[in-house]
Amino acid sequence: AQKVTQAQTEISVVEKEDVTLDCVYETRDTTYYLFWYKQPPSGELVFLIRRNSFDEQNEISGRYSWNFQKSTSSFNFTITASQVVDSAVYFCALSVFNAGNMLTFGGGTRLMVKP
Amino acid sequence: DSGVTQTPKHLITATGQRVTLRCSPRSGDLSVYWYQQSLDQGLQFLIQYYNGEERAKGNILERFSAQQFPDLHSELNLSSLELGDSALYFCASSGGVEGYYGYTFGSGTRLTVV
Repeated sequence: AQKVTQAQTEISVVEKEDVTLDCVYETRDTTYYLFWYKQPPSGELVFLIRRNSFDEQNEISGRYSWNFQKSTSSFNFTITASQVVDSAVYFCALSVFNAGNMLTFGGGTRLMVKP
Repeated sequence: DSGVTQTPKHLITATGQRVTLRCSPRSGDLSVYWYQQSLDQGLQFLIQYYNGEERAKGNILERFSAQQFPDLHSELNLSSLELGDSALYFCASSGGVEGYYGYTFGSGTRLTVV
């Protein structure tokens, strides 16, 4: 069975601070995909990134960056110079190839960025 | 606009009733997934359809059922509704049966059972 743990249920920062959201996953499969989604107050789920298990390169997209470490089964997400518009709930998710295709979500981290 | 359309956006109904949630996938996507987001259970996978056929089942109650039609839209039927069924129901679509190219979510249907 697959499991995703986001230990931080809520984080509060002041605008322009950097913040890292932690994600730890569990799976016995060697081929899997990791995702991050953002859920703003309006409720929709916005896709941020997908990473496959064979690609451990870190990725940067503007103020967002992701650190994938198979050795620690972690896929952490950092927002640099946070902004009020970053306030949302962020979900990490796991999909295992040939294992039902569903996304297994973590419990989410609520990020509050204060001006 | 993600390209995945869910209707209605909001639904309020009484216990014991039956409702139908509808999802139109992104153009060209063959897979449709249904997820439930509740306060106590978080985001949970319910069921997947691929090109009209059921492909995977998650924690879906027997009171719930789904289908995917020839035009690829999908409907999630919830019957004998209970207070605990109040949740945000998401539909997602993807191009392939495996979904690993990424999933696109609709904006959800918020169901309130009173």
